[in-house]
Amino acid sequence: DQQVKQNSPSLSVQEGRISILNCDYTNSMFDYFLWYKKYPAEGPTFLISISSIKDKNEDGRFTVFLNKSAKHLSLHIVPSQPGDSAVYFCAAMDGATNKLIFGTGTLLAVQP
Amino acid sequence: KAGVTQTPRYLIKTRGQQVTLSCSPISGHRSVSWYQQTPGQGLQFLFEYFSETQRNKGNFPGRFSGRQFSNSRSEMNVSTLELGDSALYLCASSLRGQGNSPLHFGNGTRLTVT
Repeated sequence: DQQVKQNSPSLSVQEGRISILNCDYTNSMFDYFLWYKKYPAEGPTFLISISSIKDKNEDGRFTVFLNKSAKHLSLHIVPSQPGDSAVYFCAAMDGATNKLIFGTGTLLAVQP
Repeated sequence: KAGVTQTPRYLIKTRGQQVTLSCSPISGHRSVSWYQQTPGQGLQFLFEYFSETQRNKGNFPGRFSGRQFSNSRSEMNVSTLELGDSALYLCASSLRGQGNSPLHFGNGTRLTVT
């Protein structure tokens, strides 16, 4: 069973517009959430995180929103740039088992 | 600081063989985690080692094993390879472990089983 779900396998956005990547989870024991970005032939790199006690965290062009009641988080990228084109993985930390669980990823393509 | 290094980058093996993958973490990092990435499945957690001890384990069969050495370098072994083991294997290191500090990933080892 997939505890962390990214239901959109791909997303295409125009340069300069907002990119919104979504992630849903099922386990209420998740207490920390992260986003990673992955370019082809490279390992994922950490982007931004949020604790379950917060509902928003911002870092430059990247903002993560957490809706605990809906068990949903999203990553907003504003403005989107062609260099943002990559696969984005949502990950959640299970506070009970200390395991970091990843979603299946969303391929973002930012068109110039 | 050098990043996480995984060797080899590519491997082709035959069904039934065994394989050993290697990971050198960032200097000073004591935790090493292993993940399997396949299309449509995302990153599946294999195990985490901290100070030479397996601290956590995912839901993989016993054919998948690992170890960590005193210098924090880690190896992952897969025995009796199956076609479904073809994947990108990623290693990640962190200072204090998965729950306490961000993971830094290597570029992975691409394993193809024929």
